[in-house]
Amino acid sequence: EPEVTQTPSHQVTQMGQEVILRCVPISNHLYFYWYRQILGQKVEFLVSFYNNEISEKSEIFDDQFSVERPDGSNFTLKIRSTKLEDSAMYFCASSPARQNTEAFFGQGTRLTVV
Amino acid sequence: SQELEQSPQSLIVQEGKNLTINCTSSKTLYGLYWYKQKYGEGLIFLMMLQKGGEEKSHEKITAKLDEKKQQSSLHITASQPSHAGIYLCGADGNAGNMLTFGGGTRLMVKP
Repeated sequence: EPEVTQTPSHQVTQMGQEVILRCVPISNHLYFYWYRQILGQKVEFLVSFYNNEISEKSEIFDDQFSVERPDGSNFTLKIRSTKLEDSAMYFCASSPARQNTEAFFGQGTRLTVV
Repeated sequence: SQELEQSPQSLIVQEGKNLTINCTSSKTLYGLYWYKQKYGEGLIFLMMLQKGGEEKSHEKITAKLDEKKQQSSLHITASQPSHAGIYLCGADGNAGNMLTFGGGTRLMVKP
């Protein structure tokens, strides 16, 4: 069964460093997403990506964040100058259509900023 | 913005018992999704509901969307330890598939 894969599963970084979280969406999907879940809190939408550009983003997704699809298979989330409050589980998801279809989620990357 | 409230926040049931989890939206739901999350893991899709009054079942799990499309329930019949986890409801934004999630219901099933 096709699945969304994320690497690494865990990432520990020092405050102020840049991190890149990687995702390989399901191959025939066209819409890609990043969500995050701070420990004990709700899963929150960060950004959606379609046709090589951001289609929607939340207030959380500020200039510190960027997304890219560098090679047609990977989908990355870059966090510049990480802060302690960026510590969270980051989920990548993909879907074949924009609406009325399930989004398939990866297993997540647990980011810890120290 | 749309808010989803889930109840209860946590639930402990004896194996074999039935249970219901509720999800209430502050706005009309265009699409309502149920996911299951095991602690520290990703979200597993369970069911999607779109039409008022719609009901879907998979194995021992049934989900319903009310006629007014502002509330959904997830019902598990004859619960098993494998049902344990966190159940999340999510709603489509009317502009696209960015999901807003409820706070989750943590289910424990005692053998």
